[in-house]
Amino acid sequence: EPEVTQTPSHQVTQMGQEVILRCVPISNHLYFYWYRQILGQKVEFLVSFYNNEISEKSEIFDDQFSVERPDGSNFTLKIRSTKLEDSAMYFCASSRLVLNKYFGPGTRLTVL
Amino acid sequence: DAKTTQPTSMDCAEGRAANLPCNHSTISGNEYVYWYRQIHSQGPQYIIHGLKNNETNEMASLIITEDRKSSTLILPHATLRDTAVYYCIVHMNYGGSQGNLIFGKGTKLSVKP
Repeated sequence: EPEVTQTPSHQVTQMGQEVILRCVPISNHLYFYWYRQILGQKVEFLVSFYNNEISEKSEIFDDQFSVERPDGSNFTLKIRSTKLEDSAMYFCASSRLVLNKYFGPGTRLTVL
Repeated sequence: DAKTTQPTSMDCAEGRAANLPCNHSTISGNEYVYWYRQIHSQGPQYIIHGLKNNETNEMASLIITEDRKSSTLILPHATLRDTAVYYCIVHMNYGGSQGNLIFGKGTKLSVKP
């Protein structure tokens, strides 16, 4: 069964550094998402992406965040200047239609 | 905030049916009921969804009350691998917008030998 993949599985960075989290959505999917989960807390929506543009974003997704689909297969989340509070699991998801979303295994981001 | 209410935790014996309830009394007519689960530290996994009819797939059954104010997810023969946090989410699917899933705290299901 096709899966969403994410790299790296764990990223450690210094505060103020830029990080790029990578995702390969399921190949025939049209909608792409990023969610995050701070340790012990709820899964939170960050952004959705369709037709090469952001279609919806949450308050969390401020100017420090950006997303890109640089080619036909990858979907990336960039955090320009990481803060301690950005430490979390970041989950990429994709869906063919609006309905079922398929999540990747996540990238654990640790900001020191 | 999540529009659903779920028990914080439940236990189930291995091999028995697990029945997970969810209240969504303010659900609107075009909102679906979705169930996802999250096994420890993994990404959420889609289980099933429905609008008003009962649904069944290879993973589970979803029973939605006639007034749509509550639903029950049924795992017919729970295994130890079904131990996870189960999220009931109401989600509108409308043309041209993807919407986002609003996760609550879910129900932590512990399947015991």
